[in-house]
Amino acid sequence: DAGITQSPRYKITETGRQVTLMCHQTWSHSYMFWYRQDLGHGLRLIYYSAAADITDKGEVPDGYVVSRSKTENFPLTLESATRSQTSVYFCASSKPGRGNEKLFFGSGTQLSVL
Amino acid sequence: EDQVTQSPEALRLQEGESSSLNCSYTVSGLRGLFWYRQDPGKGPEFLFTLYSAGEEKEKERLKATLTKKESFLHITAPKPEDSATYLCAVQDPGGSEKLVFGKGTKLTVNP
Repeated sequence: DAGITQSPRYKITETGRQVTLMCHQTWSHSYMFWYRQDLGHGLRLIYYSAAADITDKGEVPDGYVVSRSKTENFPLTLESATRSQTSVYFCASSKPGRGNEKLFFGSGTQLSVL
Repeated sequence: EDQVTQSPEALRLQEGESSSLNCSYTVSGLRGLFWYRQDPGKGPEFLFTLYSAGEEKEKERLKATLTKKESFLHITAPKPEDSATYLCAVQDPGGSEKLVFGKGTKLTVNP
């Protein structure tokens, strides 16, 4: 049972470069989420998706782009990386409906923008 | 204004010393409140969901309770392996499935 996997685990990039973080889940969960976690801020939602081809902004979407052409994949792209996007990024998934709302998280991607 | 506030930010306990973590929330019409555990370098791991005031859930040394304004995570006779950051979250009152998280309480249990 692979669950939800994120890649890469660690990434170092330079300001202005485009970076894509990958997220793949094997449960066919309809909902997927991207959060970033920073000291002093906790987990903040970047984007989420209710189903393939349906995405919506979260609390901190600026500078990020998402797509969801297939239910199992939800890549996050930083179009032109900035130092303020240095963070740990977590992907999560869930099923809809009462009793199913709990999120299952990946192991995270630690991104450093130099 | 934060919708979810956790206290304390950090807590140090001796093994066997019971205590409680607090999560207060300001959303009206709570749809669900969630507790997660996060170990260093890992993603959060689900612990409990609470839906209505008066509800309680238990798992080993952990017990979560819910009132109309806050939730408590009670830790009874903790062990060093209970050391982690505990996160509280509420379901979006607007109807979506997204969760709004508090900043967490870092618990350290010394042997």
